[in-house]
Amino acid sequence: GENVEQHPSTLSVQEGDSAVIKCTYSDSASNYFPWYKQELGKRPQLIIDIRSNVGEKKDQRIAVTLNKTAKHFSLHITETQPEDSAVYFCAASYNDYKLSFGAGTTVTVRA
Amino acid sequence: NAGVTQTPKFRILKIGQSMTLQCTQDMNHNYMYWYRQDPGMGLKLIYYSVGAGITDKGEVPNGYNVSRSTTEDFPLRLELAAPSQTSVYFCASSYSGTGDEQYFGPGTRLTVT
Repeated sequence: GENVEQHPSTLSVQEGDSAVIKCTYSDSASNYFPWYKQELGKRPQLIIDIRSNVGEKKDQRIAVTLNKTAKHFSLHITETQPEDSAVYFCAASYNDYKLSFGAGTTVTVRA
Repeated sequence: NAGVTQTPKFRILKIGQSMTLQCTQDMNHNYMYWYRQDPGMGLKLIYYSVGAGITDKGEVPNGYNVSRSTTEDFPLRLELAAPSQTSVYFCASSYSGTGDEQYFGPGTRLTVT
């Protein structure tokens, strides 16, 4: 199957600063890379995703980049706000529709 | 639309007991999934289904069983509960496969003692 590694495991940033989370994957056939946000005690929710035929995608303060050659992808959050505090998970698809998730990054935005 | 619903929200089981975690979606999604989430870990796929009558194993299927008799329902069965099955269980669904958003249910927190 697919193996996804995610770094860092925890990230503390000052409000207004940027946050970057990086993931690597092992299966070069993986072609879909979603990012999920999970607030404490809540369900994971998709915040952005990228497909293997695209190098970068942006949605307001959130952006994702993909480097297929190096098999890594990153989440960028700019102008962080307190409501960005959560656990973020990256994932990679394998065997078409099954997702393999990273271990998660706990982001804390300091006021 | 209620989306994906799960029952119960919490459950405590004794070792060796059995139970069924219920999952229902009202979005007419073909694909459904069961994940478990252990503390400090990502989600691990237990079982999945690509349509009524079709199920298959994910990464961590041992100790679990599923069925999919209707499009809407995808129950997860634990036959002989073990402490290693203490976890939060999430059901998810998507309309089709790769590239379609997976919508998650609220989760079931299970403790086996």
